[in-house]
Amino acid sequence: GAVVSQHPSRVICKSGTSVKIECRSLDFQATTMFWYRQFPKKSLMLMATSNEGSKATYEQGVEKDKFLINHASLTLSTLTVTSAHPEDSSFYICSAPGLAKNIQYFGAGTRLSVL
Amino acid sequence: AQSVTQLGSHVSVSEGALVLLRCNYSSSVPPYLFWYVQYPNQGLQLLLKYTSAATLVKGINGFEAEFKKSETSFHLTKPSAHMSDAAEYFCAVSDQGGSEKLVFGKGTKLTVNP
Repeated sequence: GAVVSQHPSRVICKSGTSVKIECRSLDFQATTMFWYRQFPKKSLMLMATSNEGSKATYEQGVEKDKFLINHASLTLSTLTVTSAHPEDSSFYICSAPGLAKNIQYFGAGTRLSVL
Repeated sequence: AQSVTQLGSHVSVSEGALVLLRCNYSSSVPPYLFWYVQYPNQGLQLLLKYTSAATLVKGINGFEAEFKKSETSFHLTKPSAHMSDAAEYFCAVSDQGGSEKLVFGKGTKLTVNP
């Protein structure tokens, strides 16, 4: 079946550095991918929609200069957290729609800890 | 705008007992509804979905959910809980327009006691 690979699964970084998270669709192409953020003991909040070959669409309140999204190919989207701060520490999850309508496949998530 | 309300952030059941996780939705357009399960430090796995066909939907691992338009509900049930069912469960809604955007509830953590 369709699989979404997300890497790294865990990253610890110093405040002020940038961190890149990769989301790959395996065995299928994804012109659209979604990036979610999950706060501790809370739900997933959609951050942005990544569009292959064009600019990402950000949800209200999400800083596009802070969370850079690149979707350069049909199987890869990246999220870069720029100048990370402790408040950016969170669980980030990507997803991609599969071949069947309204079925999304989720990556395993990335736990970001900013010291 | 769409929204999802999951009643009860924590549900605890005994092994073998009925599991009932509640979900109510709000949508101005016909919705698609989903239940996802999340194990610790993992992504989400689809349990089942409602997409305007049968109102009683059967999913994986013995779970099922019933879409009740009059009650705007989509509660998740399983007749007999297993220890392996302990996880976080999320109800989600999207519109039938095909935007694929999901709006999630806050989740319900299920604990299964031996």
